[in-house]
Amino acid sequence: DVKVTQSSRYLVKRTGEKVFLECVQDMDHENMFWYRQDPGLGLRLIYFSYDVKMKEKGDIPEGYSVSREKKERFSLILESASTNQTSMYLCASSFRGANTGELFFGEGSRLTVL
Amino acid sequence: QKEVEQDPGPLSVPEGAIVSLNCTYSNSAFQYFMWYRQYSRKGPELLMYTYSSGNKEDGRFTAQVDKSSKYISLFIRDSQPSDSATYLCAIWGGSNYKLTFGKGTLLTVNP
Repeated sequence: DVKVTQSSRYLVKRTGEKVFLECVQDMDHENMFWYRQDPGLGLRLIYFSYDVKMKEKGDIPEGYSVSREKKERFSLILESASTNQTSMYLCASSFRGANTGELFFGEGSRLTVL
Repeated sequence: QKEVEQDPGPLSVPEGAIVSLNCTYSNSAFQYFMWYRQYSRKGPELLMYTYSSGNKEDGRFTAQVDKSSKYISLFIRDSQPSDSATYLCAIWGGSNYKLTFGKGTLLTVNP
């Protein structure tokens, strides 16, 4: 089974802190994604990567950056956390050749910024 | 107009009911139509997908696409309490890697 693992299920941080969210997938997928999910707003794409060291902005990249140094690992970085970044963060991966848009998601990281 | 619209519900039905979940979309270029299921405190998982128009059946689940009216549906027959989850429609249009999600419908099936 494809496994996408997010290192932290629950985090509580203070405003201004730097936050790292880590995601690892074990199926050699080329594509990796970071979404945030908020009530009433649904899933919104923050960043995605289609190859090592490559990244593309999604719909809401402001306040975030990403790093993909290895194929299996995709990190989301909040340089200076703010309260409006309190959310559920979901990592996903897919094959590059998957023309169906099938994504495999991790279980999510719930971040609270105080 | 939003690219994908989905009624958020919540929807509450008795066990054994037939459930109909629906989305509308605006971009006629979309080709792949997906349904994801998300249990509470879990990530979404792909339930099924269809390509272009038509129906696809998988056990108690049927996905239906009507491209002429830009309408997609998921039907659940003989619904079970274990079907209680949020159902997200999603549409994929091509090579830009971007899935467009609906906001999800929260379904509760009561025993």
